[in-house]
Parts: sequence; C-alpha cells; structure tokens
Amino acid sequence: NAGVMQNPRHLVRRRGQEARLRCSPMKGHSHVYWYRQLPEEGLKFMVYLQKENIIDESGMPKERFSAEFPKEGPSILRIQQVVRGDSAAYFCASSLGQSEAFFGQGTRLTVV
Amino acid sequence: GENVEQHPSTLSVQEGDSAVIKCTYSDSASNYFPWYKQELGKRPQLIIDIRSNVGEKKDQRIAVTLNKTAKHFSLHITETQPEDSAVYFCGVGAGGTSYGKLTFGQGTILTVHP
Repeated sequence: NAGVMQNPRHLVRRRGQEARLRCSPMKGHSHVYWYRQLPEEGLKFMVYLQKENIIDESGMPKERFSAEFPKEGPSILRIQQVVRGDSAAYFCASSLGQSEAFFGQGTRLTVV
Repeated sequence: GENVEQHPSTLSVQEGDSAVIKCTYSDSASNYFPWYKQELGKRPQLIIDIRSNVGEKKDQRIAVTLNKTAKHFSLHITETQPEDSAVYFCGVGAGGTSYGKLTFGQGTILTVHP
C-alpha cells in the first residue's frame, strides 16, 4: 500500500495562473479531505469529499477554489487566478470513514 | 464552529524527561481526539488517538488522557528522545463517518536536547 499520494510535491505559479493539485487516496479509502497549512501555522480544514460528492466544503474560500473527486482518478483541488496569499502547503488525507485519517506528503504551492 | 486551543506553543526538554501538551476544545459534541506528529517538511503522522468513550490510552512511551467534562485532553511523552523533536498537533472531530474532518490546534514545537 503506497499510502496517500500527492502530486506535484512542489508547484510554482505566477499570479493569475491556475494551480491543480492531485491526491490519490490509500487503496480502499473512499473519503478524502483537503487541508491548507500556512507557514508556521496549523492545518486548516478545507473540504471533505467522497466519490462524486462534496460532503462538506465549509472551509473552502468562496471564490477561486474548487474540489472534485471523480468516480475514476484522483481528487483534484483547483485554485484559479492564484494570488500570493495562496502560497502554502496543501495536504490531502484519506480514510475509510469511521477510522483514522492518513495524510499525504503535501503539495507546496509558491505563487510568484 | 469548534475552537481548539493548544499549549504550550514551544516546549524544550532534556532527553529522558517527560513532555506534556494540552488542548482544550469548545464543542461538547466532539467525540474524536487524535494527535499528529509533523517533522520539518514532512506529512503529519498519526501517533495516537482517543475516542470519547475512553478516558486514557497508552502506546509504549505515548499516552493521551481525556476529560470530557472539562473539555480538554493531553498528550504525554515519557523518556523523551531526540527523535521525538517535531511539531505536534492535536485534532478534534465529531467522529461518526468522517474521522478525517478535524479542527487542529496551532501546534507545539517540541525540542528534545541530547
């Protein structure tokens, strides 16, 4: 079991570009969670998805951010028209639901 | 929403000493309390968790205690080693079918001096 896989590990985008972050959950896990970690801060919940459904997006900014978890393929966190304040580490976690969540290595987004 | 406070923000101990980190939370309906360890530049890793029907749980040098009445829980690390140096985050969740939806504390930077 390869664990939760995220790619890319590092992503550099210019202001105004789009960022796409990918997350493949652990084998057999159908619950995916996205978190954002600003430098020297804690993890902030963004969105919780199951296959083809957004369950809870209470932590997502209202504009420019979206997430999906299609029937086939990885979960995608998409940030449109990135700004410098979007620079952060974005972590994905997965679980079976009624069990602990395992985190991926994260994607470090830098907006220049 | 849930509010989680974690103390201290930094903790420095000598190798072999004990370390204690405490978290308080606001939502009495919360039922799941994990602790994650994050080394610099790496993923958060679950080290121990406790559910609301248990008051204490121990795994070798690590233990967690929970006081639901007072709404606080603590991480205890005994016989600390330099490799315990990392940032530790407490998490609080509702449990149920979404154990991964968590509100985290701000983190504690633990440094263990050899």
